[in-house]
Parts: sequence; structure tokens; C-alpha cells
Amino acid sequence: DAGITQSPRHKVTETGTPVTLRCHQTENHRYMYWYRQDPGHGLRLIHYSYGVKDTDKGEVSDGYSVSRSKTEDFLLTLESATSSQTSVYFCASTGAGALNTEAFFGQGTRLTVV
Amino acid sequence: EDKVVQSPLSLVVHEGDTVTLNCSYEVTNFRSLLWYKQEKKAPTFLFMLTSSGIEKKSGRLSSILDKKELFSILNITATQTGDSAVYLCAVRTNSGANNLFFGTGTRLTVIP
Repeated sequence: DAGITQSPRHKVTETGTPVTLRCHQTENHRYMYWYRQDPGHGLRLIHYSYGVKDTDKGEVSDGYSVSRSKTEDFLLTLESATSSQTSVYFCASTGAGALNTEAFFGQGTRLTVV
Repeated sequence: EDKVVQSPLSLVVHEGDTVTLNCSYEVTNFRSLLWYKQEKKAPTFLFMLTSSGIEKKSGRLSSILDKKELFSILNITATQTGDSAVYLCAVRTNSGANNLFFGTGTRLTVIP
């Protein structure tokens, strides 16, 4: 399996507080993604990255920002957490030949906003 | 709008049964279709399909793609309790960073 880890694995936070989730990969993959998974919705793309300092919005990006200062790290920030952002968050990555390879997933972060 | 639809949403079978999971899609700039298995944690990769009519097989699992009718099926024969999981279908397009669009998944439960 690709070396991709997420931290923290679980977090409970209060409404209105900022939260940062970290994704770290050791595969030198070019492309990285953040998804959220909710019942009835499957995995939905929040933001993605083409490379260092090169990011773009996915289908559910409102309320989220990302940064990628190094190839191996992709950070997801909730500027002011809301209860609707309670979810399981998955990070994924693929190599330069993204069209022909699968995406590898981290173990997920369960975030609860109270 | 890109769309991936999986059916059924859930399925309960007995050990030894054969199951067929369906995935239909409507996307622009289709590149490939992927199947993942998710057991309470990270999705794990099963198959990637790019060409119609070519079956991919791994043990008791197999999958095939029909690019004319825009669907794929995942077959599991002689099911075991360890096959219980959510099976996710995803379509990769040329958009973005070759992003994957996921269906909502099929929850398979195999009872002894």
C-alpha cells in the first residue's frame, strides 16, 4: 500500500473554531485530493492539488481551504467549523501517470463539530 | 453535471451466493472506471477498467465495462463473510487533476 497517513484520526471541535487536517504521503505522488464521506452521498471531492502550491476547488469546497507547500503534505483547513462539516475526511494521492493508476487513500479522519 | 449511480444501495446474501453490483455513469471526458472496497476505513482498490468488454478478474471477483451503454458490473462469486463491505464505483475524467467521481456505494452484507 502507498504510504499515506492522515492526522488526527479523530477530532471533536466546537462550532466556530478553526481546524486543520493533515495528509502526508511518502510516495512522491504529484496529485493529492481531499474528500468527505457522508451517509447517502458517497465520497465528494473538496479540493485537489496538481502539485506544490497548485490547488483547485472540488464540488463541495465552500468553507474549506487547502495548502500544499511540499509534495508530501496536503493540509485541509476549516476556517470556522460548522456542524454541517461533521464528516469523515479522506485524503488520497496518485502518481504522475494519474490517468492510468488508482488513487490511494489514507485511513480517514472522523471530525465532529459540536 | 457528472453523475455516477450505483445499485442496489444495499444487499444481503448468504455465504456461497453470487452477487452482481451495478454502476452506471454520465460524465464528460470519461477516462476510466474504478471499483473500490471499503470496510470501515480507507477504500482499497479492486479494479480499473478502461476498455469495453474486457473482463478484469481477481479470485472470486470480476468486473466488466460497457462504454456504449455507460455502465459497469462487479461480480462476486461464492461470497464469504469477509466480502461484507461497501463497494464504491468511481469514474475518472480528464477534468481537474484527473479527479475521481464516486457513486454512493453498495453495502453488501454476507451472512453465514
